[in-house]
Amino acid sequence: GAGVSQSPSNKVTEKGKDVELRCDPISGHTALYWYRQSLGQGLEFLIYFQGNSAPDKSGLPSDRFSAERTGGSVSTLTIQRTQQEDSAVYLCASSRTGTGGLYNEQFFGPGTRLTVL
Amino acid sequence: SQKIEQNSEALNIQEGKTATLTCNYTNYSPAYLQWYRQDPGRGPVFLLLIRENEKEKRKERLKVTFDTTLKQSLFHITASQPADSATYLCAFSGGYNKLIFGAGTRLAVHP
Repeated sequence: GAGVSQSPSNKVTEKGKDVELRCDPISGHTALYWYRQSLGQGLEFLIYFQGNSAPDKSGLPSDRFSAERTGGSVSTLTIQRTQQEDSAVYLCASSRTGTGGLYNEQFFGPGTRLTVL
Repeated sequence: SQKIEQNSEALNIQEGKTATLTCNYTNYSPAYLQWYRQDPGRGPVFLLLIRENEKEKRKERLKVTFDTTLKQSLFHITASQPADSATYLCAFSGGYNKLIFGAGTRLAVHP
């Protein structure tokens, strides 16, 4: 079956504009995660969804960042009033279960490379 | 705060040798550790998971150890091949399914 897909693959925007990044998880995966990876850095956790709810938003760096998930499937990460420090690769991952499924591997998408000029 | 460290310097080895990568963590006692491989321009790919009550886990040419006393995991690739060249990330559980990742170690296997 299809893996995790993300769109767009690349996004170049001007400082101050809003951007939306999309993630399509693997069908049937109830858990969905967003991470951010800056050049030469590890992955920084942003937010975790179990179904349509987000029990852990602790990684969102500011109130300019928000995310939603609808129908237990597609998720959108929105960054308002983008800043240059938001430039990074945004990765989405999904896994089979959420709470109680502590040992599940995460399946990652290819990421969206965001460049804020 | 929870911290996970991997050797930031690239590891260069000769084909056929065993590559050993190190992951150290502090201020936490994770229930498990995961290792991922990441190729340039791609998302990480899961390789192995080891639980806190397991000392060692193997999969084909890969071996992972987990020492909760030393707060360290070692990742070994035996009989390394140029195709093993990639960045290897370790991650541990940080609550729910949240993973805390190290910055990764780049491995280069030379023919």
